[in-house]
Amino acid sequence: AQRVTQPEKLLSVFKGAPVELKCNYSYSGSPELFWYVQYSRQRLQLLLRHISRESIKGFTADLNKGETSFHLKKPFAQEEDSAMYYCALNAGGTSYGKLTFGQGTILTVHP
Amino acid sequence: GAVVSQHPSRVICKSGTSVKIECRSLDFQATTMFWYRQFPKKSLMLMATSNEGSKATYEQGVEKDKFLINHASLTLSTLTVTSAHPEDSSFYICSARELGNTGELFFGEGSRLTVL
Repeated sequence: AQRVTQPEKLLSVFKGAPVELKCNYSYSGSPELFWYVQYSRQRLQLLLRHISRESIKGFTADLNKGETSFHLKKPFAQEEDSAMYYCALNAGGTSYGKLTFGQGTILTVHP
Repeated sequence: GAVVSQHPSRVICKSGTSVKIECRSLDFQATTMFWYRQFPKKSLMLMATSNEGSKATYEQGVEKDKFLINHASLTLSTLTVTSAHPEDSSFYICSARELGNTGELFFGEGSRLTVL
């Protein structure tokens, strides 16, 4: 069975500081990893997919299969980045869309 | 991007009654929709996979007779919480995958159920 772990429930940084939200996963196959963000009073929305290898809103995430990690990083945090962030894993194949979510990390960026 | 809409966004009901929550894909067709439950400040837990025209697939530990799922069309899935109890109070979120698309999933805004 797959598992996603986000070790930090809360993360606080100051504006302009680098930020890293940790995500580790456990899955025997070849996973697809995602980062979702939920701003206050808004719905969950996709931030990044590992297969896209793109940068969204300054965030990047690299899949490290050796360390089974998919940490989310941004070099200079902004106040508008304050939100709940979820790392999620999709087992793929016919199960595509059945996401296993981590516990979530609440990021607060202070002015 | 595509939009998934849930209704109602909030509902309060008495113990023992049934409540129906709708999930609609507004501008795309979805053969598959997913229902999640989110506890306060905790993760989303997948409850079931809703398949258009066939029975839903429930995750282990989810009572299929209590959480009835119907996917009658390519744009609508419903979750009915039957004989609701206070412990069923939660935030229920659906997501939808575009027809034939293994790309992005789109999430509804969620429905908060409070059972008194």
